[in-house]
Amino acid sequence: GEDVEQSLFLSVREGDSSVINCTYTDSSSTYLYWYKQEPGAGLQLLTYIFSNMDMKQDQRLTVLLNKKDKHLSLRIADTQTGDSAIYFCAESVTGGGNKLTFGTGTQLKVEL
Amino acid sequence: DGGITQSPKYLFRKEGQNVTLSCEQNLNHDAMYWYRQDPGQGLRLIYYSQIVNDFQKGDIAEGYSVSREKKESFPLTVTSAQKNPTAFYLCASTSLWGGPSNTEAFFGQGTRLTVV
Repeated sequence: GEDVEQSLFLSVREGDSSVINCTYTDSSSTYLYWYKQEPGAGLQLLTYIFSNMDMKQDQRLTVLLNKKDKHLSLRIADTQTGDSAIYFCAESVTGGGNKLTFGTGTQLKVEL
Repeated sequence: DGGITQSPKYLFRKEGQNVTLSCEQNLNHDAMYWYRQDPGQGLRLIYYSQIVNDFQKGDIAEGYSVSREKKESFPLTVTSAQKNPTAFYLCASTSLWGGPSNTEAFFGQGTRLTVV
């Protein structure tokens, strides 16, 4: 079955790095995604990684995937106040018709 | 510009009433989804549809109904059978074909439903 878990809160100081973690259970995941949700709004895709990759870097964002442990992380370098939001990991599975299963979301708070 | 539009942004419902949330997309996406968001519980899938005139129940379909008469539209009705309907509702759409860029889900801005 599909189950995606995240810790609920993370607080960091401006300029530090943030690391948001996610664990999933379905070993047939095809793609894994990170979405960002700002208050009162929908979700926007930040980045994704194919399940046969270990790492992907995109400007300040680094995604690490440990497929053996079914662990996904998102690292945000030089975190800014504008990064304060809820971050969701999500997976789509082979044969799932692009249906996404989302994690519980991690609320990132960036303090001055 | 292509996108996905939900309306209304805020909706108030009296107990015992049915209400319908609108979701329209002009992205030519085949698949559309309804999620419910509650604090600390992430997004839970209510219903999804991969083709016109067909839809499937998600994880929490009880008390909800949908229709997919047109590719662009996927309205959600919250019925009086839904015991705790106060939540933030998000509609999304995806393509069904192609590589990872086509699996990106596009979301509407959400509808906040409150029972009064």
